[in-house]
Amino acid sequence: DAGVIQSPRHEVTEMGQEVTLRCKPISGHDYLFWYRQTMMRGLELLIYFNNNVPIDDSGMPEDRFSAKMPNASFSTLKIQPSEPRDSAVYFCASSPESDTQYFGPGTRLTVL
Amino acid sequence: SQQGEEDPQALSIQEGENATMNCSYKTSINNLQWYRQNSGRGLVHLILIRSNEREKHSGRLRVTLDTSKKSSSLLITASRAADTASYFCATARMDTGRRALTFGSGTRLQVQP
Repeated sequence: DAGVIQSPRHEVTEMGQEVTLRCKPISGHDYLFWYRQTMMRGLELLIYFNNNVPIDDSGMPEDRFSAKMPNASFSTLKIQPSEPRDSAVYFCASSPESDTQYFGPGTRLTVL
Repeated sequence: SQQGEEDPQALSIQEGENATMNCSYKTSINNLQWYRQNSGRGLVHLILIRSNEREKHSGRLRVTLDTSKKSSSLLITASRAADTASYFCATARMDTGRRALTFGSGTRLQVQP
């Protein structure tokens, strides 16, 4: 298996622009997680899905952030409008029924 | 607030030495996991220990869990330069039934060749 795939790997955008991050989980995994990592706040859970259904979005910072999982093999995290404080590395992870999570390589987002 | 806090924040050792990292947490847990992150990469799962276990081994890794003290330790024996990375503990809470993990702030390990 190719592992969790994220795109793009790097994104540089200007404040106010819409940003869409994409994730393809490992086939057969029922859970998908979106995390954000910054130096100041460490690794934070934003939202997670079970069988394509959002279960917990309490970590989504504000209404500018939205996440979807239209099918078992694809998820998006959208920020609209983006702000400089959104600059971070965004990780997607997937998990089978066990508790182990498998992380993607991350998307490094820079908002100017 | 961070559920898990690692100690020390940074550790520098020589190749061949053992490295010990500690993690403390605040709530009742279902399990505790350790992950490694190489610079600029995603996290990689190392080992999971359940709340009813006290010690677990995997290769050069040894993990202990003390639920009475709400703490865990990760020991890497005979360290190698390739072990240079950040190490994070992560807890799965028992009370909410959530599958999501709460990560600590990490320990940066530098193994000098």
